[in-house]
Amino acid sequence: AQSVTQLDSQVPVFEEAPVELRCNYSSSVSVYLFWYVQYPNQGLQLLLKYLSGSTLVKGINGFEAEFNKSQTSFHLRKPSVHISDTAEYFCAVSASRGGSQGNLIFGKGTKLSVKP
Amino acid sequence: EAQVTQNPRYLITVTGKKLTVTCSQNMNHEYMSWYRQDPGLGLRQIYYSMNVEVTDKGDVPEGYKVSRKEKRNFPLILESPSPNQTSLYFCASSYLGMTETQYFGPGTRLLVL
Repeated sequence: AQSVTQLDSQVPVFEEAPVELRCNYSSSVSVYLFWYVQYPNQGLQLLLKYLSGSTLVKGINGFEAEFNKSQTSFHLRKPSVHISDTAEYFCAVSASRGGSQGNLIFGKGTKLSVKP
Repeated sequence: EAQVTQNPRYLITVTGKKLTVTCSQNMNHEYMSWYRQDPGLGLRQIYYSMNVEVTDKGDVPEGYKVSRKEKRNFPLILESPSPNQTSLYFCASSYLGMTETQYFGPGTRLLVL
């Protein structure tokens, strides 16, 4: 079984500052990793995903994440945030093979609050 | 427009009164899934379906039923709702395979009194 831990429930940051949202996962098999964003009163939207290959993954809206297998982490970063990045961010994991492939496990979310 | 639709968007009901939340997608996706979102708990998967007539339990299936008789529809059924099922529910769909991007519906906010 897989699990996901998002280390910060809330991250306040000033506009144009860099931000890192932390995510650690646990799994006995190879995994796919995802970051989703949820803007207020909306559904979730995929930011980026790691499937294989390069450990640095670039997504939409200037976000990127780095897969670190030895530390079982998949932290999300943005060098300069905007007010419009205020949202809740979810890290998610699924098994890349095996019977639980359809099971997507989400972390509890990190609320990013960007202040002017 | 490619989309996942859910109905109703808001629902207030009473304990024990059967209800169905519908989910429909127009992208010919094989995979569909239901999640519930609760404050501090994130999203938890209730059921998922890999194709017509193929469904499987997620992490929190108790108290819920699903069916997948058509590719585009994946209704969530609460046979006897209880207050602990008060939550925000999301339906999602994708092409088959967890490498594919899941597209989420707008959510259904359910209050069980």
